[in-house]
Amino acid sequence: GAVVSQHPSRVICKSGTSVKIECRSLDFQATTMFWYRQFPKQSLMLMATSNEGSKATYEQGVEKDKFLINHASLTLSTLTVTSAHPEDSSFYICSAREAGLSSYNEQFFGPGTRLTVL
Amino acid sequence: GQNIDQPTEMTATEGAIVQINCTYQTSGFNGLFWYQQHAGEAPTFLSYNVLDGLEEKGRFSSFLSRSKGYSYLLLKELQMKDSASYLCAPVEVEGNTPLVFGKGTRLSVIA
Repeated sequence: GAVVSQHPSRVICKSGTSVKIECRSLDFQATTMFWYRQFPKQSLMLMATSNEGSKATYEQGVEKDKFLINHASLTLSTLTVTSAHPEDSSFYICSAREAGLSSYNEQFFGPGTRLTVL
Repeated sequence: GQNIDQPTEMTATEGAIVQINCTYQTSGFNGLFWYQQHAGEAPTFLSYNVLDGLEEKGRFSSFLSRSKGYSYLLLKELQMKDSASYLCAPVEVEGNTPLVFGKGTRLSVIA
C-alpha cells in the first residue's frame, strides 16, 4: 500500500523558535496533502490543504503566517511552525491522496510528529 | 458543513462483540470511511462504504444507511489490541477534498 513518511517523529524546541516538519509520499505521487493537528484525547483537526505548486488552503482559525506550508514537489510537503509557543505543542499528522484518483478519497497518513515547545 | 456524532468512549470485554455508531449530517455524500487510531500513532484505514448495507472484512464489518445518515462499525471477537480510537469520516464532496473526522470513539477492551 501507499506509504507516507514524516520527519522528525519527535521534536522539542524552545519557545520562539521555528520548527519544520516534512511529509513525503514514498511510493506514489500526491498532488494534494493535508495537515492535521491532534491534541491529547481529541480527534484530528484539519489545519490546511497543501496543493503542489500553489498556495495552501487554510481552515478557519488557522493562522497561515504561523503555520507555513510549502508543497514544492509531488512527493513532499513541509509545515513550518513559526515562533512556536507552548500552546502549539501537539501531534501533527500529514496525509496524502494519490494523484489521478479523482473520485476516491482515501487518504494515507504519515506516522505523525510529536512537537513539544518548552 | 458536516455534523458527525459518535459516542466518546466505550468499554467491552475481550472476546465480545461491540458496535460503534456514527450519525452524520452532510450537504452531500460520497461514501464514509472508518479509521482506527492507536494512541500516538497515525490513523489506519479500516473500511469505506458507498452503498447501503453491511460489508464484512474479517473481524471488522461496517454498515451504512445513506437515507438515515447512519453507519456503524462492528468488531467481533474483541482482542486487547483493538483498544484504540475509531474515527468516522463521511465524505461530503467527491474528489480532492480532505477527510473531516468526527471526535472519535475511544474503545477500551478489558479482560
